[in-house]
Amino acid sequence: SYVLTQPPSVSVAPGQTARITCGGNNIGSKSVHWYQQKPGQAPVLVVYDDSDRPSGIPERFSGSNSGNTATLTISRVEAGDEADYYCQVWDSSSDQGVFGGGTKLTVL
Amino acid sequence: EVQLVESGGGLVQPGRSLRLSCAASGFTFDDYAMHWVRQAPGKGLEWVSGISWNSGSIGYADSVKGRFTISRDNAKNSLYLQMNSLRAEDTALYYCAKVHTAGTGSNVYFDYWGQGTLVTVSS
Repeated sequence: SYVLTQPPSVSVAPGQTARITCGGNNIGSKSVHWYQQKPGQAPVLVVYDDSDRPSGIPERFSGSNSGNTATLTISRVEAGDEADYYCQVWDSSSDQGVFGGGTKLTVL
Repeated sequence: EVQLVESGGGLVQPGRSLRLSCAASGFTFDDYAMHWVRQAPGKGLEWVSGISWNSGSIGYADSVKGRFTISRDNAKNSLYLQMNSLRAEDTALYYCAKVHTAGTGSNVYFDYWGQGTLVTVSS
């Protein structure tokens, strides 16, 4: 089955840029989606189809995907961005959804 | 406003069954595929199962295949998950999630989530 690998944690100072990676075999050929989950809350879609943002998501959230790595970039990080972030793809070969293990973003 | 409200969770003994429900509102339910995603305590997200708008396409994670059954009633705007032969490792918060399209099986992502219902499997 398809595996997505994320770093367990990323730390960044307020106002700086956070980059959260999601690794997978030839992930560039798939569409990658990203979710933000704050403690005690349901996940929220923040980026879909590699780099598109749902309405209401700040432009500070952006995504890219190429080769074996997809990246969620959060610019001008704020304290309110502190959360767990998950990448997700649809594995057409197994017809199953796949999530990365999640990355805890800490705002210093 | 899209709303997804799960119910039916609780404490159940290993080997027993439980049926989860998800009541949907704020959108045309039978225009969209629906899925279940779970999260064990302190762990990450795990896709469980999905069903297309007309129940014509259904899929399961390997971990639940043969034990769980997903279904929907478009007349009642409701999604269900019948869980049989429950195991301790099925303990999790179960989320109902709406998909952005009618089908399931190609470029699926989840644009709305419920708040989840907790299933605890323990003797």
